[in-house]
Amino acid sequence: DVKVTQSSRYLVKRTGEKVFLECVQDMDHENMFWYRQDPGLGLRLIYFSYDVKMKEKGDIPEGYSVSREKKERFSLILESASTNQTSMYLCASVPMAIQETQYFGPGTRLLVL
Amino acid sequence: SQKIEQNSEALNIQEGKTATLTCNYTNYSPAYLQWYRQDPGRGPVFLLLIRENEKEKRKERLKVTFDTTLKQSLFHITASQPADSATYLCARPSSGSARQLTFGSGTQLTVLP
Repeated sequence: DVKVTQSSRYLVKRTGEKVFLECVQDMDHENMFWYRQDPGLGLRLIYFSYDVKMKEKGDIPEGYSVSREKKERFSLILESASTNQTSMYLCASVPMAIQETQYFGPGTRLLVL
Repeated sequence: SQKIEQNSEALNIQEGKTATLTCNYTNYSPAYLQWYRQDPGRGPVFLLLIRENEKEKRKERLKVTFDTTLKQSLFHITASQPADSATYLCARPSSGSARQLTFGSGTQLTVLP
């Protein structure tokens, strides 16, 4: 069965802290994505990766960076957390074939104080 | 850029009735549209994909239509049940890559007993 896991379900951080969100998939998928989800705005793509060590900016990359050192793991980094980064963060993975569905993790609800 | 809109933020319906959710897109017709279900505090889960050349697709009590003239997809749940209460998202391929999706902001469906 398909499995995407995220390191934390809930996280509380202070403004200025460096925050790491980790996502692991066990399906050998090449493509991985990080989204944030806010009420009324839907899912917005932050960064994605098509392969190990490869990354591409999504629609809202400012204030974020990513790391993909291994195929199964895709990390989202908030270099200096700010209150406007309080959100639900969702990771997804997709196999290489086009038109495949996105498999999502359970999400991390981040609160920045 | 490719936009996708779900007109209703919330929809309440009586148990046993058919729920109909709307998804409208702009610009050119996408090769396909996808529908996802999202429960509170969880990641979205894929339900159905309908291709541009398919008028209708069914899966158990779910039915999706794709009207390229109206630039619209309709998502129907027949004989709705309280367990169908969730937020439903539609998504289309983004202009940058077929592996990326642009999501609507979702319609929150509540099925009343």
